[in-house]
Amino acid sequence: GAVVSQHPSWVICKSGTSVKIECRSLDFQATTMFWYRQFPKQSLMLMATSNEGSKATYEQGVEKDKFLINHASLTLSTLTVTSAHPEDSSFYICSARDPRGPGELFFGEGSRLTVL
Amino acid sequence: RKEVEQDPGPFNVPEGATVAFNCTYSNSASQSFFWYRQDCRKEPKLLMSVYSSGNEDGRFTAQLNRASQYISLLIRDSKLSDSATYLCVVSTSGTYKYIFGTGTRLKVLA
Repeated sequence: GAVVSQHPSWVICKSGTSVKIECRSLDFQATTMFWYRQFPKQSLMLMATSNEGSKATYEQGVEKDKFLINHASLTLSTLTVTSAHPEDSSFYICSARDPRGPGELFFGEGSRLTVL
Repeated sequence: RKEVEQDPGPFNVPEGATVAFNCTYSNSASQSFFWYRQDCRKEPKLLMSVYSSGNEDGRFTAQLNRASQYISLLIRDSKLSDSATYLCVVSTSGTYKYIFGTGTRLKVLA
């Protein structure tokens, strides 16, 4: 299947700092990528839809100024958690839709963020 | 009513058993259907797409019932390695919007 790579896998940061997470589609072009967060034993929660060359679409309740999304190319989307706080600690996962098939989503490996 | 509903489980089954999960969806305009598995602290991985005619991949069989608006996943001869959470995902054509079920936990016991 298609390959989506996410980096970093793990990050620990101090409260108040910003963290950038990258999501790359390695073997296809993705005009749309999705960002999720998942707390332990809970389901994936869609945060925003990242659109290449335009502004991201945020889900209700997700602060766009806190979670900055940039989709500058067809293979790269970034999520920046600004002024991180301990409550932002979570598992962040990206996905991209493979346009070559029936529209399956392929997920990055996820990034586990711990804010101290 | 949630757009996509799954029984959260857990389903505890012995090795070798056959187990089936259902997933119901509320939007009749839904066009694409998928099953993913997610292991603890890992990302979801595509298990199989679900086609109108039903499809099989080894021990796994997926079916779609448009009239009743549900999809199913059947696992035969369960293995310990099948223990995971199985996510149902539904998409409406043209919207690029994917709706996830909350997942069904399966635990296969030795």
